Amino acid sequence: AQKVTQAQTEISVVEKEDVTLDCVYETRDTTYYLFWYKQPPSGELVFLIRRNSFDEQNEISGRYSWNFQKSTSSFNFTITASQVVDSAVYFCALRWRGFQKLVFGTGTRLLVSP
Amino acid sequence: DAGVIQSPRHEVTEMGQEVTLRCKPISGHNSLFWYRQTMMRGLELLIYFNNNVPIDDSGMPEDRFSAKMPNASFSTLKIQPSEPRDSAVYFCASSLFHRFGTSGVSTDTQYFGPGTRLTVL
Repeated sequence: AQKVTQAQTEISVVEKEDVTLDCVYETRDTTYYLFWYKQPPSGELVFLIRRNSFDEQNEISGRYSWNFQKSTSSFNFTITASQVVDSAVYFCALRWRGFQKLVFGTGTRLLVSP
Repeated sequence: DAGVIQSPRHEVTEMGQEVTLRCKPISGHNSLFWYRQTMMRGLELLIYFNNNVPIDDSGMPEDRFSAKMPNASFSTLKIQPSEPRDSAVYFCASSLFHRFGTSGVSTDTQYFGPGTRLTVL
């Protein structure tokens, strides 16, 4: 079965704290793709990152970083020095080779207070 | 560059009425997706098209739902007749789908429109 689990329903932090959003996935395929999307209060879905299963290199983009570990089937997302504008629901998603369907996790709501 | 465009942004209708949601994908993209987001079921794929051809409609809830893509720059999702349980946010997404060589490895990222919030009274 193809599945994405985001166990953290909601996280609250104070501005400037670091926060990590967890994502655990299940797939039988050896080739697959992982994504993170952000859904701010305005409602749109914003693409953040894509990672291929054959590329385990971690990535950093400004205050955002992603840790991909195939050994634990995890693709975690860390925001360093969080800001109020980071408040949103964050979705992790999975797609596997041969299929274009995205399977989404249930999302983690991040609340950053000033 | 224009992103995915959806209209209307909000739709309020009465049970039994026909509802048509519209989507214009990103120019040059060859795949188009319709998703629905509800509190109970989260984000779920309804149907997707490659090169204007429906590939997988297994997520379409029932015969009341239909989707078309008459050309590369336009798609519609129609609900007839609408019911209160159809109330949700409907997203359209598009991507540029490639297959690389014989490995079958593909690359695409789905970019989403702003969504249409549908309320059926």
